Amino acid sequence: GAVVSQHPSRVICKSGTSVKIECRSLDFQATTMFWYRQFPKKSLMLMATSNEGSKATYEQGVEKDKFLINHASLTLSTLTVTSAHPEDSSFYICSASRRGDGTDTQYFGPGTRLTVL
Amino acid sequence: AQSVTQPDIHITVSEGASLELRCNYSYGATPYLFWYVQSPGQGLQLLLKYFSGDTLVQGIKGFEAEFKRSQSSFNLRKPSVHWSDAAEYFCAVGVRKTSYDKVIFGPGTSLSVIP
Repeated sequence: GAVVSQHPSRVICKSGTSVKIECRSLDFQATTMFWYRQFPKKSLMLMATSNEGSKATYEQGVEKDKFLINHASLTLSTLTVTSAHPEDSSFYICSASRRGDGTDTQYFGPGTRLTVL
Repeated sequence: AQSVTQPDIHITVSEGASLELRCNYSYGATPYLFWYVQSPGQGLQLLLKYFSGDTLVQGIKGFEAEFKRSQSSFNLRKPSVHWSDAAEYFCAVGVRKTSYDKVIFGPGTSLSVIP
């Protein structure tokens, strides 16, 4: 159990276009989902936290107008990179939180490689 | 502020040798601690977690970790490494928010295994 999927796994787009990435929890309901960005050979940087039915909470330094997050249901969150530029190229990873054992455990998707030309 | 350090950026071990990956955390309250592994092209997989109770935690794939409050450490160990263990390992601390837990990751340790 606790499977999280992401779609697409890889996307290449032109500068100035917008890209939407989906994150789904396949076999559990996730009240909270997280979006991370991972640079090559670096750790995961939390971008934002989204709770179902409410606005996302963005980390300091993350542009909320650039990275739009929607958490429409207990199993789906989307990240839209608006007007993407080459510096937005990165590996984006989502996770879904499931409460148990007294606290939450995050289960991660396989990631989406975004390349902006 | 909460933080996680992993002193070793890269470690190389021979197959069959023992392994210890170091992790230190900074957190004011009782920490929730995790170890995740990321293989090339794969998502992060949870190896083990510590919330409370026994300070020696057993995980998947033969890994274990020991929580030492006095040293603010949560080191990961495996008695005999397999070639398939080559991957990136992340230690993380869970920070309690009002309605969810936020996870802060360490910088990671890259493990190479020599046949």
